Amino acid sequence: QQQVKQSPQSLIVQKGGISIINCAYENTAFDYFPWYQQFPGKGPALLIAIRPDVSEKKEGRFTISFNKSAKQFSLHIMDSQPGDSATYFCAASMGSGGSNYKLTFGKGTLLTVNP
Amino acid sequence: EAQVTQNPRYLITVTGKKLTVTCSQNMNHEYMSWYRQDPGLGLRQIYYSMNVEVTDKGDVPEGYKVSRKEKRNFPLILESPSPNQTSLYFCASSRLFSTSGSSGAQYFGPGTRLTVL
Repeated sequence: QQQVKQSPQSLIVQKGGISIINCAYENTAFDYFPWYQQFPGKGPALLIAIRPDVSEKKEGRFTISFNKSAKQFSLHIMDSQPGDSATYFCAASMGSGGSNYKLTFGKGTLLTVNP
Repeated sequence: EAQVTQNPRYLITVTGKKLTVTCSQNMNHEYMSWYRQDPGLGLRQIYYSMNVEVTDKGDVPEGYKVSRKEKRNFPLILESPSPNQTSLYFCASSRLFSTSGSSGAQYFGPGTRLTVL
């Protein structure tokens, strides 16, 4: 049972464009939704994260939009740059007291930003 | 420098030959975890540990063992490796509890690429 569904599998965007990656989850107990960025040959690194008490979080060119009723969240990369080319994973976890362990990951999106 | 280290980075072995992949973190994190990454399947959790001597199965634990005798180390053991365990393995660590959405990140090691012939 795949608890976090991510789409698209791959995405090609022109420099300066907007990249959008979507995720949907099934378990309503999830309360922490991070996005990880992975460059070739490296481990994933936390990019941005959100909790369900807000509908949007922005950090620089990266924005998470969260729709609790639809059980969906998405990553928007504004003014996409070739250096943003990487694999992006959405994830979700649940716990009490703000714990963020036991992440369940989506299958990843390979983003290519053409110059 | 805060980091998670894994060794070896690359390993080619044969079916049935026991191996250990080491993982160490210097951030005093309580939580540590092992994942495997396979094309089209994303990251799947193998085992995790919430503190010393506390370990539990993740989503794909078959064929793997772990131990947590010290807070900083979390080795992954393959007692009898098989070709279907050929994969890219990541160790990760984090604090067990965070107080805001931007903290409490899981920090990943650089990965170990394992090939079982």
